[in-house]
Amino acid sequence: EVQLVESGGGLVQPGGSLRLSCAASGFTFSSHWMHWVRQAPGKGLLWVSRIKSDGSTTRYADSVKGRFTISRDNTKNTLFLQMDSLRAEDTAVYFCARGPLLWFDLWGRGTLVTVSS
Amino acid sequence: NFMLTQPHSVSESPGKTVTISCTGSSGSIASNYVQWYQQRPGSAPIIVIYEDNQRPSGAPDRFSGSIDSSSNSASLTISGLKTEDEADYYCQSYDSSNVVFGGGTKLTVL
Repeated sequence: EVQLVESGGGLVQPGGSLRLSCAASGFTFSSHWMHWVRQAPGKGLLWVSRIKSDGSTTRYADSVKGRFTISRDNTKNTLFLQMDSLRAEDTAVYFCARGPLLWFDLWGRGTLVTVSS
Repeated sequence: NFMLTQPHSVSESPGKTVTISCTGSSGSIASNYVQWYQQRPGSAPIIVIYEDNQRPSGAPDRFSGSIDSSSNSASLTISGLKTEDEADYYCQSYDSSNVVFGGGTKLTVL
């Protein structure tokens, strides 16, 4: 089955760190751009970051630049998002999504990140 | 910054046709492809239209997309509405390789 499954979300204090994972299956992971998109409670979708199929190119939204790092392990079909210096406004459901470069043809179910003291 | 504006909500009866608009803030919306995503409550988004008017496999042919350059807007049209179409719908495009989403439209089928 073609799917993406996120994990690693939870409750973290402001200033803390969290690492999200996204396990891909059912397709050739190493051939696709991959993205993280988030959705704050009751709000709309916001693109966070993307990484090229071979991991050579990454890009970030201004709101997370310098604090979040996207990476991937094509040998394990897994996408990661390292989130540091977390803020209350980072509270959201984080979805991983399969690209093309600038849109998303497959989404995971998401993992909830709550930043609160 | 480039923005996409959608109506907050629309409603229509089962069996009818509804159109959701997505207006670009600047430039020409026709310059870059527009996608549409459906998100049911508590679920992940799924793509229903890509590259302005292309339907992915599995998306019902009741869904169609179009571009109107005169109003600098994109539209998602759903015909033969079903109660299962009740969801939030998001348009999405890009500007200088920055991905942009519209604010979303809540479709109520009543």
